[in-house]
Amino acid sequence: AQKITQTQPGMFVQEKEAVTLDCTYDTSDPSYGLFWYKQPSSGEMIFLIYQGSYDQQNATEGRYSLNFQKARKSANLVISASQLGDSAMYFCAMSRTNDMRFGAGTRLTVKP
Amino acid sequence: DVKVTQSSRYLVKRTGEKVFLECVQDMDHENMFWYRQDPGLGLRLIYFSYDVKMKEKGDIPEGYSVSREKKERFSLILESASTNQTSMYLCASSWGGARANEKLFFGSGTQLSVL
Repeated sequence: AQKITQTQPGMFVQEKEAVTLDCTYDTSDPSYGLFWYKQPSSGEMIFLIYQGSYDQQNATEGRYSLNFQKARKSANLVISASQLGDSAMYFCAMSRTNDMRFGAGTRLTVKP
Repeated sequence: DVKVTQSSRYLVKRTGEKVFLECVQDMDHENMFWYRQDPGLGLRLIYFSYDVKMKEKGDIPEGYSVSREKKERFSLILESASTNQTSMYLCASSWGGARANEKLFFGSGTQLSVL
């Protein structure tokens, strides 16, 4: 069974600084997708970034980048220039064909 | 824009009741999912469906069943609600098929309390 591990229950970062949220995964499938979602206090789930297992380059979306290290099975999210609005829960997820499973999440707090 | 609609935002039920949670999507998505979200545990997959009348167990299917009679609708059924099923339930959908490994679109969630 696939497993997604987020080892940081909570993280703090100063406004305007960069922060890395950790995610490791475990699967024996060669084809899979890795995702990060943000859940602010409103409860909605917001898709942030996607990385395919065959993608050679790390994915980037604005201030978000995914540090994909396939051999180490890690898919860390890097947020550059943190903003107060980045305070939220962040979930790492992995899909194989039709399913998608999530990690336990990391609560990020951005301090002014 | 894709819309995933969950029938209730808040629901209060009694122990032993049969509970139906409804989810409808309007984008002709093939895949639909039910998760429960609990603090410290993240989102846990209960069931998913990749086609009409098709269903697959997720990681915590015990005490739940699902129904997908039409492509746009995916129902989660608690056969006999128990207090440990008090949780936030999230429905989601995605394209599937040749567009596998695409992002999920989520509903706004149903906070279920079982007393």
